[in-house]
Amino acid sequence: SQKIEQNSEALNIQEGKTATLTCNYTNYSPAYLQWYRQDPGRGPVFLLLIRENEKEKRKERLKVTFDTTLKQSLFHITASQPADSATYLCALVNYGGSQGNLIFGKGTKLSVKP
Amino acid sequence: AAGVIQSPRHLIKEKRETATLKCYPIPRHDTVYWYQQGPGQDPQFLISFYEKMQSDKGSIPDRFSAQQFSDYHSELNMSSLELGDSALYFCASSTRSQNEKLFFGSGTQLSVL
Repeated sequence: SQKIEQNSEALNIQEGKTATLTCNYTNYSPAYLQWYRQDPGRGPVFLLLIRENEKEKRKERLKVTFDTTLKQSLFHITASQPADSATYLCALVNYGGSQGNLIFGKGTKLSVKP
Repeated sequence: AAGVIQSPRHLIKEKRETATLKCYPIPRHDTVYWYQQGPGQDPQFLISFYEKMQSDKGSIPDRFSAQQFSDYHSELNMSSLELGDSALYFCASSTRSQNEKLFFGSGTQLSVL
């Protein structure tokens, strides 16, 4: 079965620095991969989707890369701010499942210190 | 903009009781998904509905059932509650045509005592 590993449970960085989060998956390469942000006690919020034929995608201070050879996605937040502090989840469609049947990584809890 | 609305926000039940969680999707969204997130865990897919029909099923216990109504709202019914059912239950919605992107509600925190 497909598994997702997000290498760091927690990441602490200084304000203004770039945060880099890693997501690795184990088996089949998905057609696309997603990143969500989750604040404590709240539902995940969609951030970015990157397809298998896209190397990189950007949205404001966010950048996602997707390397199907390495079976890895990197998520970058540039010029990080304390408001970026949250848990970031990587997700992809479950094998044999319909769209929306997602499996999530356990997340990386990012703390941005002023 | 309107978001996914879930009720209640918090629910406390005793073992072996039943619980009903409600979800109101974003207007014009026709697909609803239910997820369960245990403490410190990642969200787990339970079940989804499209146009009132079950479209996919995940790790939903037989004690749980769900349905989607004609106004597209959905209810998750949980019976014979167990301590292990204590979790945050999320509903998400999407349109069929753009179902790669899910919009999640704020969840219902269920505590089984």
